[in-house]
Amino acid sequence: QVQLVESGGTVVQPGRSLRLSCAASGFTFSAYGMHWVRQAPGKGLEWVAVIWYDGSKKYYADSVKGRFTISRDNSQNTVYLQMSSLRAEDTALYYCARGSGSHLDYWGQGTRVTISS
Amino acid sequence: DIQMTQSPSSLSASVGDRVTITCRASQSITNYLNWYQQKPGKAPKLLISAASSLQSGVPARFSGSGSGTDFTLTISSLQPEDFATYYCQQGYSSLFTFGPGTKVDIK
Repeated sequence: QVQLVESGGTVVQPGRSLRLSCAASGFTFSAYGMHWVRQAPGKGLEWVAVIWYDGSKKYYADSVKGRFTISRDNSQNTVYLQMSSLRAEDTALYYCARGSGSHLDYWGQGTRVTISS
Repeated sequence: DIQMTQSPSSLSASVGDRVTITCRASQSITNYLNWYQQKPGKAPKLLISAASSLQSGVPARFSGSGSGTDFTLTISSLQPEDFATYYCQQGYSSLFTFGPGTKVDIK
């Protein structure tokens, strides 16, 4: 069965960097685009970034463009989100999700990132 | 970027009620509209893709319709397990966007 397990979330100071990971299993990872979606405490869902199945294309939400980088290692079935210049407003639960065309069909349980001094 | 709006932002309903949630896009997204259900403390779950395609395992009381800019999610007879927050999401652009959500709670 499809499984997505995020990790790397923690408490970090403003301005610092952090890398999140999402380990995938149960499907042919290299055939799917992968997304990151976040949810601030008590708020709605915010799409963050996508990486094409082969890593050839990457797109970002305006709120993170230039600060976050999405990448993947198809040999390790893992997608990453490198976050830099972190701000208080980046505090959220970060989900990775499998892209299936224009929708997100499987989601992980999320990893929590808190930006605080 | 394509902006998504939803109405209402919340609603109270009783078991057995028919519930309708509306989603509107800031430009035409043809039928690239998806609906998700999220329960507290859980990850979102895909209910409907391509505006009206029910995902496997999702009860038939859920249905979606619409095209262009206006879309609707309908629950024909609300069940206790349907109390949750519902989000629409456009996949027309490579930069996906979600609606702000509609919270359905018990009257």
